[in-house]
Formats: sequence, structure tokens, C-alpha cells
Amino acid sequence: DTAVSQTPKYLVTQMGNDKSIKCEQNLGHDTMYWYKQDSKKFLKIMFSYNNKELIINETVPNRFSPKSPDKAHLNLHINSLELGDSAVYFCASSHFSGHEQYFGPGTRLTVT
Amino acid sequence: AQSVTQLDSHVSVSEGTPVLLRCNYSSSYSPSLFWYVQHPNKGLQLLLKYTSAATLVKGINGFEAEFKKSETSFHLTKPSAHMSDAAEYFCVVSDPQTGANNLFFGTGTRLTVIP
Repeated sequence: DTAVSQTPKYLVTQMGNDKSIKCEQNLGHDTMYWYKQDSKKFLKIMFSYNNKELIINETVPNRFSPKSPDKAHLNLHINSLELGDSAVYFCASSHFSGHEQYFGPGTRLTVT
Repeated sequence: AQSVTQLDSHVSVSEGTPVLLRCNYSSSYSPSLFWYVQHPNKGLQLLLKYTSAATLVKGINGFEAEFKKSETSFHLTKPSAHMSDAAEYFCVVSDPQTGANNLFFGTGTRLTVIP
């Protein structure tokens, strides 16, 4: 009965590789998000999708590409990984008209 | 522009004593404010939210927060700390200008509870 789930939970990879993180929600929400939490615990929004359309796109390198196949899924693909991409990535979801966002457990990405 | 300042990066209290985590915000509009909690190696959980209704907001696990417009504050309190309250707490504001779903997070306050 998990509300927002992410896979994988941990991801260790080398510089230059391409990787994806998957997110799924079963709350019936129509808006999904990706956040990055750095080593100092600071959280910043990266992307937001509503009904499969991009509505928030903060200043993020174009190596990061979100993909939303349907309202319940928002995946994050990262090309040419760099050391600075190491962080915890959180997926979240909400009703578009509401404010409460429900977060997944996070994916800890380590780039070596 | 919206922003949130959490005045303490670390707060330490003894079990059974009151908790106060401070948050100040800046906003040109009527903001929505939230407190989220993050337990070690876990995702974020919503504790409570203020959306221009009652200024004293009650949340889960005995936490509450009071919206004070004159002080631009939204401090989080709990009368008696429990060991399970040890976690990272984030004060969050939404931005009506760019959309209610655009959340801005404070830098977090780590709460330590001493037995």
C-alpha cells in the first residue's frame, strides 16, 4: 500500500554513466515532482509535471531529463553523470490544486 | 520572492521537555506554510500546514505551529519531547506567484532528544 515509491533506493555508479530513477504513486494525484537534497540536507525542486506536462523546470543541467509516461509515473534520467550529481533524489506527488506533497523514500545516488 | 529562514540548525532537548523549532518567512503575498519531518534515511512526512484558516495549526504526533503575520513567523512546538521525535525538520513556504505547488524549503533543523 505504498503511496509514493522510488527505485532504486541506492545507486552507485561511475562518472560518465547514464542512469535512471523511477517513481510511481498510487494516490490518484495528477502532479509529480523531483527534488534534489544535497549533502547539507538542503532540498530544491528540480521538475514538476501535471498530467504528463512539464510545469516547473528549475535551472537544472540538460543532462537531467524527466519523463512522465502517465499521471502515476515520473522517471528521472541522468546522462553523463558527474561527481556533483551525488545527492539524495526525492520524488513527490500532489493534487494540482492542493498544497500537500507526499514524498517517496528517496534514492541515494553516489557518483564515483 | 518567497524564502524561509530556520533560525537554528540544531536543537537539543531532554525527553519530556518542550520543543521549539523556529521559522521565519518572507512573502509578498499570503503564504501557505508547512512543516515536514525527515527521520534518518527516510522520506519527508507532512507534520502540519497553514493555509489562511486558523492561525494555530495542530499536526500529527502532538506538534503544533502558530502563524504570526506581524512577526512573519511559523514556529513549531510540542509540549513534551519523545525520543521518536529525533529527526530533521523543514519549514516550507509555497509561492503563489509561481504556483501553489512550488515549495521553498528552509535549510532544516536537526532535533536531538536526550534520554
